[in-house]
Amino acid sequence: EPEVTQTPSHQVTQMGQEVILRCVPISNHLYFYWYRQILGQKVEFLVSFYNNEISEKSEIFDDQFSVERPDGSNFTLKIRSTKLEDSAMYFCASSFLASSYNEQFFGPGTRLTVL
Amino acid sequence: DAKTTQPNSMESNEEEPVHLPCNHSTISGTDYIHWYRQLPSQGPEYVIHGLTSNVNNRMASLAIAEDRKSSTLILHRATLRDAAVYYCILRDVTGGTSYGKLTFGQGTILTVHP
Repeated sequence: EPEVTQTPSHQVTQMGQEVILRCVPISNHLYFYWYRQILGQKVEFLVSFYNNEISEKSEIFDDQFSVERPDGSNFTLKIRSTKLEDSAMYFCASSFLASSYNEQFFGPGTRLTVL
Repeated sequence: DAKTTQPNSMESNEEEPVHLPCNHSTISGTDYIHWYRQLPSQGPEYVIHGLTSNVNNRMASLAIAEDRKSSTLILHRATLRDAAVYYCILRDVTGGTSYGKLTFGQGTILTVHP
């Protein structure tokens, strides 16, 4: 069964450093998403991406964040200068369409720890 | 997305049915009702969705009230593996104002006792 994969599973970084979180969505999917979940809190939407551009982003997704689909298979989230409050689980998701009846498939997540 | 209300937690015994309620009194006619769950230390996982009629799949059943202001996710025989946080989410992407994002609430923490 196809699945979304994410690497690394755990990333530890120093405050102020850049990190890149990687995702491989399901191959025929067209819409890609990043969510995050701070420990003990709810899952929060960050950004959606379609046709090589951002289609929607939340208030959390400020200038420190960027997304890219560099090679047609990977989907990356870059945080330019990490802050302590960026520590969270980051989930990538993909769906074939963005319609209200299509399900999203989530990856296992990357745990980001900022020291 | 319209707001949903779920109990904070519920408990069940293994192999018994579980009924997880969700209230969505402000649901609009174009909102689909989705359920996702999040197993411990994993990403969310799609469970089921529906619009007006009751739905069944291999994981669960979804019972939707006639006025659509509430719904119930039914796990017919709970297993220990069903222990998770269950999220009821309304989705409406008509008019192109939402590109499929999911808005998660706090969900219901389901504990399954052996």
